[in-house]
Order: sequence, then structure tokens, then C-alpha cells
Amino acid sequence: DAGVTQSPTHLIKTRGQQVTLRCSPKSGHDTVSWYQQALGQGPQFIFQYYEEEERQRGNFPDRFSGHQFPNYSSELNVNALLLGDSALYLCASSLFQTRSSQPQHFGDGTRLSIL
Amino acid sequence: GESVGLHLPTLSVQEGDNSIINCAYSNSASDYFIWYKQESGKGPQFIIDIRSNMDKRQGQRVTVLLNKTVKHLSLQIAATQPGDSAVYFCAENPYSGNTPLVFGKGTRLSVIA
Repeated sequence: DAGVTQSPTHLIKTRGQQVTLRCSPKSGHDTVSWYQQALGQGPQFIFQYYEEEERQRGNFPDRFSGHQFPNYSSELNVNALLLGDSALYLCASSLFQTRSSQPQHFGDGTRLSIL
Repeated sequence: GESVGLHLPTLSVQEGDNSIINCAYSNSASDYFIWYKQESGKGPQFIIDIRSNMDKRQGQRVTVLLNKTVKHLSLQIAATQPGDSAVYFCAENPYSGNTPLVFGKGTRLSVIA
């Protein structure tokens, strides 16, 4: 039973460039959430996708966008990269529930470094 | 979640002893809580969860205690092993369903062999 997989594992970009990160959810999960984790901090919520639509969004600028595909996999896009975007980007998957919360399972992330 | 800077609180424990990691959460309406373990270079790994209608839940070598009166959560690890060394995060789900997790301050657990 495959868990959450993310690619690439590491990425180096320069300021102003654009990046696309990819995530495949755990088998049986239909909801994907993206988090940003700066060094030494807890993950911060970026946005969540369900049924190919962005359902919720955290306090991140429009430079951060995403997409979910019919097979539930997801992409995170960041435009006009800034030095402050350097972080570990985590994808978490879960099964959509309207009333009862379920645990989110995380991948090992993509380490993005901006030079 | 709150930012914690580069210096996480650290708990050092002798191998074989019990560990207790504490967490204060922010939203009294939160009804679901999770503990995650994060090893270096890895993503957060689910350890145990608890819903607000419970005050204690046990897993394998781990116990989570929830005190809603003071908005406090704790994770107890029995017979701590070197493999338990990691950063531990508590996370709350402020509302039912698929709302995003809000992570607390992490605690670094170091196990002394």
C-alpha cells in the first residue's frame, strides 16, 4: 500500500523562476493538502484540493497555485520565486469527510532552495 | 501554527525512561488532535490521534492525554528508544471535517543511550 509520494525530493531554483512540485496521495485518499515548512518551524497550510477544486486556502499569495487531477494527484506551482520561498514543501492526503475528521498522512516533501 | 524560530524546545531522555511531550493548543472549538513525529529529512509521520470526546487514548508504547479545560495535550512515550529521537508536533483540527491542520510548536526529543 503506497503512501504519499512527492517529487522531486530536492530542487534548486533562482529568484524569479517558477517551480512545479508533484504529489500522489495515499491509495484510497481523495483530498490533497499542501503545507510549507520553514527550517525549525511547524508546517503552515497553503491550500487543499478535493474533486479537482481548491477548497480552502491559507495565508499565501496568489503566486502559489495548484491543481488536482482526476486520479487525485496534485501539483503545487509557485511563480516569481523569492528567497523566502526556500522551505520544505509537504503534501498530505486524506479521505474527504464533512463531519468526522480523519488523519492527514504526509509525504517526505520537496526541499526547495532559492538562490 | 505559531512560528518557533530555529531553536526548538528540547527534551533529553535516558534510553528506557518514559518521555512526556507537552503541547498547548489555541482553539477551544478544536475537536480533533494529532501527534506527528518528524525525523530529519522526512515528512511528519502520524503517531496517534484523539477526539475531543475522549481524554485519553493509548497506542503501542504511546499515550495521548487531552485536557480541554486548559487546552493542553500531552504525548507519553513508554520505554523510550534511540529510534524515538525526532521532532514531535501536535496538530489541531479547529473544525470538523476537512479543515486544515494547525500545528503547534515542535519539541525535539533526544534519547541518550
